[in-house]
Amino acid sequence: GENVEQHPSTLSVQEGDSAVIKCTYSDSASNYFPWYKQELGKRPQLIIDIRSNVGEKKDQRIAVTLNKTAKHFSLHITETQPEDSAVYFCAAGGRGGNKLTFGTGTQLKVEL
Amino acid sequence: DAGVIQSPRHEVTEMGQEVTLRCKPISGHDYLFWYRQTMMRGLELLIYFNNNVPIDDSGMPEDRFSAKMPNASFSTLKIQPSEPRDSAVYFCASSLATGAETEAFFGQGTRLTVV
Repeated sequence: GENVEQHPSTLSVQEGDSAVIKCTYSDSASNYFPWYKQELGKRPQLIIDIRSNVGEKKDQRIAVTLNKTAKHFSLHITETQPEDSAVYFCAAGGRGGNKLTFGTGTQLKVEL
Repeated sequence: DAGVIQSPRHEVTEMGQEVTLRCKPISGHDYLFWYRQTMMRGLELLIYFNNNVPIDDSGMPEDRFSAKMPNASFSTLKIQPSEPRDSAVYFCASSLATGAETEAFFGQGTRLTVV
């Protein structure tokens, strides 16, 4: 089955700096790569996703890049703000059945 | 739509007792997923259904765990007997098949504590 690895497990940045979280996946059939944000005590919520037919997608301060050859994808957050502090999960899916395999999460802390 | 609704939000039970977690997916969604979240193992997929039929239960840890989806608007995850290591947050999620993979919407979760 699919295996998703995520790094780093914790990330601390100064407000205004950029943050990058990286994931690798194992199943070459995967073609859907969402990112979820989970604030403390709350549910995971989708912030951005990318499909295998594109290499990059942007939404304001958030961007995701995908390298299908290398089987890795990354989340980039620019101009970080304190409200970006949360746990971020990457996931991979696409073998059918809308099934997602999640990475182990990255605790992002944005310090003032 | 109110989103995915789970109940209870919190459950504290004694070891050996039966626990039933409930989920109401978003109306019209045809996929339903049960996840377990712990600090050690992150978000693990336990089982998922398509049109009320279980598709993959390979993530169910033991025979003590069972899940049902009697109709399109209701699913249960049962643990019998419960053990302290079952303590976790259990999330239900639903999604809509459109021919391509789509967003999974999560419920608020049930925080289970087995003492």
